[in-house]
Amino acid sequence: GIQVEQSPPDLILQEGANSTLRCNFSDSVNNLQWFHQNPWGQLINLFYIPSGTKQNGRLSATTVATERYSLLYISSSQTTDSGVYFCAGKIQGAQKLVFGQGTRLTINP
Amino acid sequence: DGGITQSPKYLFRKEGQNVTLSCEQNLNHDAMYWYRQDPGQGLRLIYYSQIVNDFQKGDIAEGYSVSREKKESFPLTVTSAQKNPTAFYLCASSIAGRDSGGYTFGSGTRLTVV
Repeated sequence: GIQVEQSPPDLILQEGANSTLRCNFSDSVNNLQWFHQNPWGQLINLFYIPSGTKQNGRLSATTVATERYSLLYISSSQTTDSGVYFCAGKIQGAQKLVFGQGTRLTINP
Repeated sequence: DGGITQSPKYLFRKEGQNVTLSCEQNLNHDAMYWYRQDPGQGLRLIYYSQIVNDFQKGDIAEGYSVSREKKESFPLTVTSAQKNPTAFYLCASSIAGRDSGGYTFGSGTRLTVV
């Protein structure tokens, strides 16, 4: 089946820093999404981004579908950005959304 | 506000017991999903349903059962056949079809075997 690789697995930064999280897919995907899981376990959908670039405040995401990767950018990090970030996608024609293992981000004050 | 409600937040199960986790959505979504998350891991698909009265096994369906009698509801039963049920369970919904758009998740149920 499809493999979803996220990097880095862990990232520790000071408040105010910028960061880039990466998601690589082993096959062509659609329905690519980024999620943030907070310390209480809630998963929040950040972006639905099958291709192109989207921005929402301090967060932005870019997907290059032809090269099978997506990037999540976080600027001017805040402690509330801490948590685990997941990317997920579907293989062409499939019904199942497959998740990566996540990047654990820790923002220190 | 539309959303997904999972209950209970915490659940304790004795060995040999069946337990049912509730998932209700008012987003008018046709598709619903159950995922399992183990500590430090990603999410794995248990079951999904694209339409009422129909559902399919995901990657780890053994020891679980579901029903989809109403569009709004997709309960998950963890049976005694599931040998390692302690985990965090997440329910999600989306529009149906290949281009399902973004998924919306509930706040999860943490199940512990005692």
